[in-house]
Amino acid sequence: RKEVEQDPGPFNVPEGATVAFNCTYSNSASQSFFWYRQDCRKEPKLLMSVYSSGNEDGRFTAQLNRASQYISLLIRDSKLSDSATYLCAVNYNKLIFGAGTRLAVHP
Amino acid sequence: DAGVTQSPTHLIKTRGQQVTLRCSPKSGHDTVSWYQQALGQGPQFIFQYYEEEERQRGNFPDRFSGHQFPNYSSELNVNALLLGDSALYLCASSMGGDYGYTFGSGTRLTVV
Repeated sequence: RKEVEQDPGPFNVPEGATVAFNCTYSNSASQSFFWYRQDCRKEPKLLMSVYSSGNEDGRFTAQLNRASQYISLLIRDSKLSDSATYLCAVNYNKLIFGAGTRLAVHP
Repeated sequence: DAGVTQSPTHLIKTRGQQVTLRCSPKSGHDTVSWYQQALGQGPQFIFQYYEEEERQRGNFPDRFSGHQFPNYSSELNVNALLLGDSALYLCASSMGGDYGYTFGSGTRLTVV
């Protein structure tokens, strides 16, 4: 079993749609959690950290469920510029990534 | 404030050759991690350096080795290159490995 698993996608959604990505992790000792965004042929960039209480940054909401070892990312009112690959990452003194979920937002 | 810088940006090597990739961490960061990202995959953890020692290692063969210098910069060396080593190699720096990681723009290695 992979340490971090994500919905493979791709997700093709129209502008304005709400889309949710899910991620599960296997190591219960994981200490911190992140969502990264990666554009084609570029490096991953930190989108947001994920906290147990849930956190929101504009149109983006991240949730963590430690009991189920589950992380989610919700994007509301999708924009064309949101098209990218979204990587969840789990940190236990090393950052481990999922394979990424590709999002394509179309007009 | 410079972020993470990697060199070179692109590299083409022949099977069996050796390659060295370089990384300078973000100012104030003391930990450097290296990742390999094949096309369509997430970044795979190679190893992490802290205080000039390899602190953690992923599931990569001994052909992959590294070094961290007193100024926290780091090198990744790959010996006996295989076609399957073709990938984007990413360096990420952090403070102690516990907080947010900042990535460099990567080195795209092609082995022919």
